[in-house]
Amino acid sequence: GAVVSQHPSRVICKSGTSVKIECRSLDFQATTMFWYRQFPKQSLMLMATSNEGSKATYEQGVEKDKFLINHASLTLSTLTVTSAHPEDSSFYICSAREGLAGGPYNEQFFGPGTRLTVL
Amino acid sequence: AQTVTQSQPEMSVQEAETVTLSCTYDTSESDYYLFWYKQPPSRQMILVIRQEAYKQQNATENRFSVNFQKAAKSFSLKISDSQLGDAAMYFCASNPYGNQFYFGTGTSLTVIP
Repeated sequence: GAVVSQHPSRVICKSGTSVKIECRSLDFQATTMFWYRQFPKQSLMLMATSNEGSKATYEQGVEKDKFLINHASLTLSTLTVTSAHPEDSSFYICSAREGLAGGPYNEQFFGPGTRLTVL
Repeated sequence: AQTVTQSQPEMSVQEAETVTLSCTYDTSESDYYLFWYKQPPSRQMILVIRQEAYKQQNATENRFSVNFQKAAKSFSLKISDSQLGDAAMYFCASNPYGNQFYFGTGTSLTVIP
């Protein structure tokens, strides 16, 4: 299957700082990328859907000014956690899909995740 | 919105035996896909098996097979000849025609040597 990478795999930052997480599709063009958050021993919760060249669509309860998403190219989406606080500590996972929603099925591929720890 | 329910937070199976993980879902979509993903301690999501809702035939992938009951909105995963490497968290997910995934709460599978 296709490969999706995330960088960094692990980051520790101080409270109040901003952290950027990158999600790249390595061998395909991802028109849509999804960002999930996963707390320990819990399921993946969708945070936002990002389409290349347009604004991200955030799920209810997700602060768009705190979690900035940029999908500037067909192979890269970034999630920036602004003014991070300890409660933002979590595991963040992206997935990428080739093709458009509603069209023929295009498999989604998950990145390996980024563990964020805010001190 | 769609909901996916996994009623078994934890399951265990003896090595070489068979185990079935349960999943039910609720959707108003006519076209959708159903998945089982495995998440080992590394946290990487690994696709186990996929079922297209319009297909009546149950999907199989080597030791993994599903029992898809569309009318009952049930999608269980059967793992045959369980191996130690099968130990992981298993997530059931629905995916309405290529859009976002809706995940269940997961089932932690332990394989006993």
